[in-house]
Amino acid sequence: DAGVIQSPRHEVTEMGQEVTLRCKPISGHNSLFWYRQTMMRGLELLIYFNNNVPIDDSGMPEDRFSAKMPNASFSTLKIQPSEPRDSAVYFCASSSRGGGSNEQFFGPGTRLTVL
Amino acid sequence: TQLLEQSPQFLSIQEGENLTVYCNSSSVFSSLQWYRQEPGEGPVLLVTVVTGGEVKKLKRLTFQFGDARKDSSLHITAAQPGDTGLYLCATRSNDYKLSFGAGTTVTVRA
Repeated sequence: DAGVIQSPRHEVTEMGQEVTLRCKPISGHNSLFWYRQTMMRGLELLIYFNNNVPIDDSGMPEDRFSAKMPNASFSTLKIQPSEPRDSAVYFCASSSRGGGSNEQFFGPGTRLTVL
Repeated sequence: TQLLEQSPQFLSIQEGENLTVYCNSSSVFSSLQWYRQEPGEGPVLLVTVVTGGEVKKLKRLTFQFGDARKDSSLHITAAQPGDTGLYLCATRSNDYKLSFGAGTTVTVRA
């Protein structure tokens, strides 16, 4: 079975540009998470969806960041406008059953570089 | 949010040697998870420990949960190059939120 799919795997953009990261969770999973990983701050939860509804977005850094989950098989994380400090690896993860109490399965990540 | 401290930050050893990495907190964990993240990939769950004093084994990996549930260790016996990666500990602060330590980067030289 396919795991969590993320695209693109690498993204290089210039400051001020809009960036959209995409995620396809594992089929049947109803919880989806977006994380950001940096050397300075480690792995941090940005936002959590359950049954396509955002439950906790307290980790979203600022209004430049937004996330959507229009259906059970697709989610996006958008940064507009992007800044160099947004450079990081962004992971999507999914799990089954409500509350995410089951194991979270991580995608391979998108490495974002903002010049 | 519980602050998880992992040590050492980096560890480089020769194939066949043993290693131990640690995860500590000033607070009591309800449970603790260990993940391994290989270069260019996402973290993968290795084990969850729940009971104080618990020991779990996964092939050459031994996970120990402290009696007071404030610390945990991961011991690898006869390390192999395939064990190279970032080892992360994590704990749940609620029913969905994982808080991760900074990790230990392990390099096993052939």
